[in-house]
Amino acid sequence: GQQVMQIPQYQHVQEGEDFTTYCNSSTTLSNIQWYKQRPGGHPVFLIQLVKSGEVKKQKRLTFQFGEAKKNSSLHITATQTTDVGTYFCAVGSGNTGKLIFGQGTTLQVKP
Amino acid sequence: DAGVIQSPRHEVTEMGQEVTLRCKPISGHNSLFWYRQTMMRGLELLIYFNNNVPIDDSGMPEDRFSAKMPNASFSTLKIQPSEPRDSAVYFCASSLIAGNYGYTFGSGTRLTVV
Repeated sequence: GQQVMQIPQYQHVQEGEDFTTYCNSSTTLSNIQWYKQRPGGHPVFLIQLVKSGEVKKQKRLTFQFGEAKKNSSLHITATQTTDVGTYFCAVGSGNTGKLIFGQGTTLQVKP
Repeated sequence: DAGVIQSPRHEVTEMGQEVTLRCKPISGHNSLFWYRQTMMRGLELLIYFNNNVPIDDSGMPEDRFSAKMPNASFSTLKIQPSEPRDSAVYFCASSLIAGNYGYTFGSGTRLTVV
């Protein structure tokens, strides 16, 4: 079945440093979604990427979809303590709406 | 809209007991998903429904697990009998069909089986 690799598993940064998490698939993806889960919370939808080479920004967050639609990245500029949490990529399987989640990258930010 | 509503928030039960988790999806969403989250296995899709019909239950661990969606506004996930290894956070999520929309997750049910 559809699988996706997400790296790194953990990342500790000093507040103000940048952060990037990567999501890789062995197959071409129709789309990719990103979610954030705060400690003790539930996943919250951030964005969906559909087009090859697509780049979308949400304030300090930049999302990219690779040209071959097999990888994606989430970059946070100048991290803040509010960015703490686990970031998941999720990829669709077929046309049914079924999403398979990556293992997530847990971000810790030292003030 | 109140979002996806799950109950209970926390459940502690003894091994062998039946556990029922409940979910009310967002009105108008046609797809409903049950996920289980553990440190070891991450977010696992257990089962999902489109228009109240189960589409894929290949993620259900074993026969002790069952899920129903009797109508568009209610779903249950039942574990009978429960075992300590079922301890996890169970999330329900809903979305519009076709996979072109993000999922909205409920707050989850933290299940502890002792």
